[in-house]
Amino acid sequence: DGGITQSPKYLFRKEGQNVTLSCEQNLNHDAMYWYRQDPGQGLRLIYYSQIVNDFQKGDIAEGYSVSREKKESFPLTVTSAQKNPTAFYLCASSDQPPYEQYFGPGTRLTVT
Amino acid sequence: SQKIEQNSEALNIQEGKTATLTCNYTNYSPAYLQWYRQDPGRGPVFLLLIRENEKEKRKERLKVTFDTTLKQSLFHITASQPADSATYLCALDAGDTGRRALTFGSGTRLQVQP
Repeated sequence: DGGITQSPKYLFRKEGQNVTLSCEQNLNHDAMYWYRQDPGQGLRLIYYSQIVNDFQKGDIAEGYSVSREKKESFPLTVTSAQKNPTAFYLCASSDQPPYEQYFGPGTRLTVT
Repeated sequence: SQKIEQNSEALNIQEGKTATLTCNYTNYSPAYLQWYRQDPGRGPVFLLLIRENEKEKRKERLKVTFDTTLKQSLFHITASQPADSATYLCALDAGDTGRRALTFGSGTRLQVQP
């Protein structure tokens, strides 16, 4: 069964802690993406990667970091430097160029 | 700066009617435009892609138009059903900017009344 998995679905953290969100795909896509969505708003691009061991900043990269050591995996770390980390985080993948994107189910992060 | 605008107000229509959603953009020259559906608490699902040299694309009850002169795309759902109720997002590629990623609009929520 091909697709994108994100875990966990819900995540709670205390302020000041780093947290890593998982994203795995078995669609054999080269490109992967991380988005943030706040209530009633659209998707904002955090980071994207077109190929293993390479990634680019999106529109709101400050306070986030990523790695792309394997084609299937693109984890996102929300650092303590992110001022307002509570949000819905979505991971996606696609063939090159950014054709149709396949999204995971999302992780809802709450930081208190 | 580049900007995508979708009607932020919800669109309410009666079952059986045609829903028309608008996506306007400025300071873009996209090679293609996409539409996605998003249900509450879930990831978006791809619906249609239309290229800059295509005027219209259809898929079952869905139709998309792309006017690069007006910098506008219209998304139509004919014979709408309550199950079509969702938020619809348009997304554009970055054209000749070199950025290989999509930019999404904020979406329009569609509510189809039975």
